[in-house]
Amino acid sequence: AQSVTQLDSQVPVFEEAPVELRCNYSSSVSVYLFWYVQYPNQGLQLLLKYLSGSTLVKGINGFEAEFNKSQTSFHLRKPSVHISDTAEYFCAVSSSNTGKLIFGQGTTLQVKP
Amino acid sequence: DTEVTQTPKHLVMGMTNKKSLKCEQHMGHRAMYWYKQKAKKPPELMFVYSYEKLSINESVPSRFSPECPNSSLLNLHLHALQPEDSALYLCASSQDPGTEQAGNTIYFGEGSWLTVV
Repeated sequence: AQSVTQLDSQVPVFEEAPVELRCNYSSSVSVYLFWYVQYPNQGLQLLLKYLSGSTLVKGINGFEAEFNKSQTSFHLRKPSVHISDTAEYFCAVSSSNTGKLIFGQGTTLQVKP
Repeated sequence: DTEVTQTPKHLVMGMTNKKSLKCEQHMGHRAMYWYKQKAKKPPELMFVYSYEKLSINESVPSRFSPECPNSSLLNLHLHALQPEDSALYLCASSQDPGTEQAGNTIYFGEGSWLTVV
């Protein structure tokens, strides 16, 4: 069975500081990994995805993530955050059998001025 | 264009009412989904339609009844709901479910906020 663990439920950070949101997964088959962002009172928006190839994936809004197979991690990073990055971030893994998305519990990024 | 459109955005209904949530996508996707999301929690899968046929029902109570009239439309019919069913209901679509082909990303709509009183 596949699972996703987001190690931090909340991450407070000051504006213009770097941030890393951690995600670990477990799977016995090939994985497809995603990061979604949910701004207050909105739906989920795809930030980036890893399907294959280069382990460093660049997404929208200046975010990037690195797939590390040996550590079964897919951490999300941004070198300098803005107030507008305040949101809920979900890491997810796609089952290669059903295509079902399995979500982590989410990390609330709070960017302070 | 990666748009999934949901209506209504907000819905308040009584426990004896019958209402429907609607979802539309024009990306040519052949898989459509309903998710339920409670506050501060990840979305929970309810139903998956693949090529207009129900392929996954995650043991959802029968007071929720999905319908897929065609490949672009997905409805969720609601009847005799309970207050605990109040949540954000998210519709989503993807090119195809269960494929290992690159690009099978699930795209979400903005959601319908449902309050049951």
